[in-house]
Amino acid sequence: AQSVSQHNHHVILSEAASLELGCNYSYGGTVNLFWYVQYPGQHLQLLLKYFSGDPLVKGIKGFEAESIKSKFSFNLRKPSVQWSDTAEYFCAVSQPYNNNDMRFGAGTRLTVKP
Amino acid sequence: DTGVSQDPRHKITKRGQNVTFRCDPISEHNRLYWYRQTLGQGPEFLTYFQNEAQLEKSRLLSDRFSAERPKGSFSTLEIQRTEQGDSAMYLCASSFGQDREFFGPGTRLTVL
Repeated sequence: AQSVSQHNHHVILSEAASLELGCNYSYGGTVNLFWYVQYPGQHLQLLLKYFSGDPLVKGIKGFEAESIKSKFSFNLRKPSVQWSDTAEYFCAVSQPYNNNDMRFGAGTRLTVKP
Repeated sequence: DTGVSQDPRHKITKRGQNVTFRCDPISEHNRLYWYRQTLGQGPEFLTYFQNEAQLEKSRLLSDRFSAERPKGSFSTLEIQRTEQGDSAMYLCASSFGQDREFFGPGTRLTVL
């Protein structure tokens, strides 16, 4: 079955630590890849997206992600996290040539300690 | 604010009652999506519209659920004979074509 997997349910880091959140998907064919963030009390916002081209994409607030098609992965990274990065992060996949509905992973809760 | 809006933000209802939620997308967006999010889970796709046409419905959308987008603008999601398992956050999102989706604040439903 098609699915989106996020490896970590809860990650706790200290400020200035580096971050990598894993995301794997099981879709074949062409996919669009997204990372969304939900800060406490706010609604989902797009961090970054990958449609095609350079597999390393940069998003807002210093986040980046790399699409590795051979591994069906789209991991999110940030070299130095801040307390304000505390949020829930969702990986999502859509198939532009197959109805284009978006499927989300279960989310990873990031807590950054000051 | 020109983002996606949803009404109401919170709804508490008794089991067996019907509820209806409204979503107003960003005005030029032709696609509108409904998702459901339960605690500790990511959003689950329910259905989406392109203009007024409902193009896909998830198997999660039982016969008690119906969604409409009569004029290709706002959309409603109705749940009939609510059950406790329907308690969740119902999210609406809109997009222009295959561009990214913008999410609304959600409607939190609690079924007692």
